[in-house]
Amino acid sequence: GAVVSQHPSWVICKSGTSVKIECRSLDFQATTMFWYRQFPKQSLMLMATSNEGSKATYEQGVEKDKFLINHASLTLSTLTVTSAHPEDSSFYICSAGAGDSQDTQYFGPGTRLTVL
Amino acid sequence: AQTVTQSQPEMSVQEAETVTLSCTYDTSESDYYLFWYKQPPSRQMILVIRQEAYKQQNATENRFSVNFQKAAKSFSLKISDSQLGDAAMYFCASMDSSYKLIFGSGTRLLVRP
Repeated sequence: GAVVSQHPSWVICKSGTSVKIECRSLDFQATTMFWYRQFPKQSLMLMATSNEGSKATYEQGVEKDKFLINHASLTLSTLTVTSAHPEDSSFYICSAGAGDSQDTQYFGPGTRLTVL
Repeated sequence: AQTVTQSQPEMSVQEAETVTLSCTYDTSESDYYLFWYKQPPSRQMILVIRQEAYKQQNATENRFSVNFQKAAKSFSLKISDSQLGDAAMYFCASMDSSYKLIFGSGTRLLVRP
């Protein structure tokens, strides 16, 4: 089956620094990937759609200058949390659809970000 | 815009019994998909079952089945012969033509041995 990986699986950083999270589709190409955020004991909230070769589209209320998304290749999307603050601490999850089967999304294992 | 509502924050079931998780949704689209995802403590999202809205037949996957009531915009999940490994958070989700997944608030399923 299709596999999506994320790196790192967890990261701790100081307030004010930037953190990059990678999402890779290992055995398929993904023109579109999605980034979600999940606070403890809450649901997944869609943050943005990552489009290969073009700008990401952000959901209402998500700061595009805060959460930079780059989708430079068909297998890699990156989410950079800039000038991180403690309130950015969360679990970040990506998903991708394979080829013509975009209606089935495969999820990465998630990245736990803790900002001190 | 899509919305998904799960009204049961937590459900409990005895091992080997059957439990039904509720979900209602709203969408303005005529073509859409509905999903149930399982999130165990590892937090890896696992697809349990999916339903194409244009299909009248309810989807089934082994012990998991859905009751899809399109007119009522209801999409419940039935788990038969519950097992200890079924204990997890269950999220109902809808997907529109943009392939965005919108999730409900989730139901925590406890399985009593």
